[in-house]
Amino acid sequence: QKEVEQNSGPLSVPEGAIASLNCTYSDRGSQSFFWYRQYSGKSPELIMFIYSNGDKEDGRFTAQLNKASQYVSLLIRDSQPSDSATYLCAVANQAGTALIFGKGTTLSVSS
Amino acid sequence: NAGVMQNPRHLVRRRGQEARLRCSPMKGHSHVYWYRQLPEEGLKFMVYLQKENIIDESGMPKERFSAEFPKEGPSILRIQQVVRGDSAAYFCASSPARGGTGELFFGEGSRLTVL
Repeated sequence: QKEVEQNSGPLSVPEGAIASLNCTYSDRGSQSFFWYRQYSGKSPELIMFIYSNGDKEDGRFTAQLNKASQYVSLLIRDSQPSDSATYLCAVANQAGTALIFGKGTTLSVSS
Repeated sequence: NAGVMQNPRHLVRRRGQEARLRCSPMKGHSHVYWYRQLPEEGLKFMVYLQKENIIDESGMPKERFSAEFPKEGPSILRIQQVVRGDSAAYFCASSPARGGTGELFFGEGSRLTVL
């Protein structure tokens, strides 16, 4: 199975700071990329998706994609304690039949 | 509009017993996915189904595990002769289109404990 790699963290940032989460993937043919957030004991929920190279902004969240480097990132501006969760990077396989998830990065935002 | 419904939420089985996990997708969704999450691990893809068809089962263990999505009723993930290593959270997700083209909506998960 193709790999999706993330630093497990924990990543600790103070309230109001920018949190930067990174992800690399091995399947060069992947076309769709997703960031999910998972609170402890809960189900994953979609934050953003990105299909094209460059940046995509949605409120305090910015997803960045560089297909040449096989790299996806998520920036969270003005981090809040409620952002404390595990962030999962997911990449669609070439067949479009599944999302392949990384192990997730745990973010802790201190007030 | 109800979300993805999974039951049971918690299931305890002894080694050698069978576990059946059920998933009802969101209304209007015909694509169902099963994922397994071990403690401190990410979500591992198991199987992708449409009504009455298994589309991709590349993540399913070769033995003891099976899945179905009948024409009527929920999708079922069946684990025969459970072992302690099967203890995990099993998440079902659904989508209105193939998973590589849009969002997956996840259920709350079924947490299996094997004694």
